[in-house]
Amino acid sequence: QKEVEQNSGPLSVPEGAIASLNCTYSDRGSQSFFWYRQYSGKSPELIMFIYSNGDKEDGRFTAQLNKASQYVSLLIRDSQPSDSATYLCAVSYSGAGSYQLTFGKGTKLSVIP
Amino acid sequence: DGGITQSPKYLFRKEGQNVTLSCEQNLNHDAMYWYRQDPGQGLRLIYYSQIVNDFQKGDIAEGYSVSREKKESFPLTVTSAQKNPTAFYLCASSYFDSPYGYTFGSGTRLTVV
Repeated sequence: QKEVEQNSGPLSVPEGAIASLNCTYSDRGSQSFFWYRQYSGKSPELIMFIYSNGDKEDGRFTAQLNKASQYVSLLIRDSQPSDSATYLCAVSYSGAGSYQLTFGKGTKLSVIP
Repeated sequence: DGGITQSPKYLFRKEGQNVTLSCEQNLNHDAMYWYRQDPGQGLRLIYYSQIVNDFQKGDIAEGYSVSREKKESFPLTVTSAQKNPTAFYLCASSYFDSPYGYTFGSGTRLTVV
């Protein structure tokens, strides 16, 4: 059973601070790792993906991957109230030639003005 | 513009009634997925399809049915056998052999009245 674990939160950070969201996964064969942002009542939208160990930066967002520890994280620098949302970690594995995602339950982030 | 369209946005079902949720994509994606999301919960996979005229059960298929007669369309029927259908339903699509994650539709909120 492939599992993706996230702290459900809520995680509260003051505006301008760094928000750190964490995710662990059980399947060592996992190949790609995704972070989706979901505003209340809306559908998830992809904000970052990472394949290789290390860091990947995109604007205020940095994804970090450590395959040996089976750990992926998302850092949000200079957090803004508009970043308040639920962040879903997703992990893909290749089965029968296709890539399927397993989702965590999400971490709710609240950025306090 | 390419995208994935779900309709209706809101749907009300009476007890004992079957209802069908529409999902259409013009991204030329091979695979399509249906997820259910309950308040404060993650995404649970109902059904998925990797090619036309073929689909597979996900983790919570009981009380649901699907069809995939066209590459672009993957409708979900919530049958009267689904005893607790009130939820947010999300459709997603992806390329069969691409590790770039899923594109989500905007969702359908189903309520039993």
